[in-house]
Amino acid sequence: AQSVTQLDSQVPVFEEAPVELRCNYSSSVSVYLFWYVQYPNQGLQLLLKYLSGSTLVKGINGFEAEFNKSQTSFHLRKPSVHISDTAEYFCAVSSFQGAQKLVFGQGTRLTINP
Amino acid sequence: DAGVIQSPRHEVTEMGQEVTLRCKPISGHNSLFWYRQTMMRGLELLIYFNNNVPIDDSGMPEDRFSAKMPNASFSTLKIQPSEPRDSAVYFCASRHTRGRVGEAFFGQGTRLTVV
Repeated sequence: AQSVTQLDSQVPVFEEAPVELRCNYSSSVSVYLFWYVQYPNQGLQLLLKYLSGSTLVKGINGFEAEFNKSQTSFHLRKPSVHISDTAEYFCAVSSFQGAQKLVFGQGTRLTINP
Repeated sequence: DAGVIQSPRHEVTEMGQEVTLRCKPISGHNSLFWYRQTMMRGLELLIYFNNNVPIDDSGMPEDRFSAKMPNASFSTLKIQPSEPRDSAVYFCASRHTRGRVGEAFFGQGTRLTVV
């Protein structure tokens, strides 16, 4: 079974500041990793994904994440945030084999202050 | 492609009534998920289908909830009887798992209010 822990439920930052949203996962098998973003009253959309290869993954809107297998982490970063980045961010894992169900963390609400 | 289509977008019903939520996945996708989102519990996986077969329904809260996928292009989530604590946003998502696993695409959700 897989599980995901997002260490911060809320992260307030000032506009143009850097941000890191933390994600740790637990799994007995190899996994794929994802970050999704949810804007108010909308569904989730993919920011980026790690399937294999380079551990640094670049996504849309200037976000990137780094897969660290030894620390079982997949933290999301952006060097300079904008007001439009205000949203809820979800980390998710899916196993390579077996049920391959997609399990999400509890989400981190990112609030950008002017 | 129209994406994952859910209907209705909003549903208000009285306690005890039957509620049916509908989902049309993206054509060609062979996996489908139903999630429930609330402030208290976040995003919970209710049930997961692969090739129209329920693979994992351990997240279904109780017998009042049931889900079906009669074919590759349609799924329903039914609550009977509904209760106020079922009020939430219900999301459907689909993806393909043939070869390399693809990303999951989400519908816009159904906001259910049980009064």
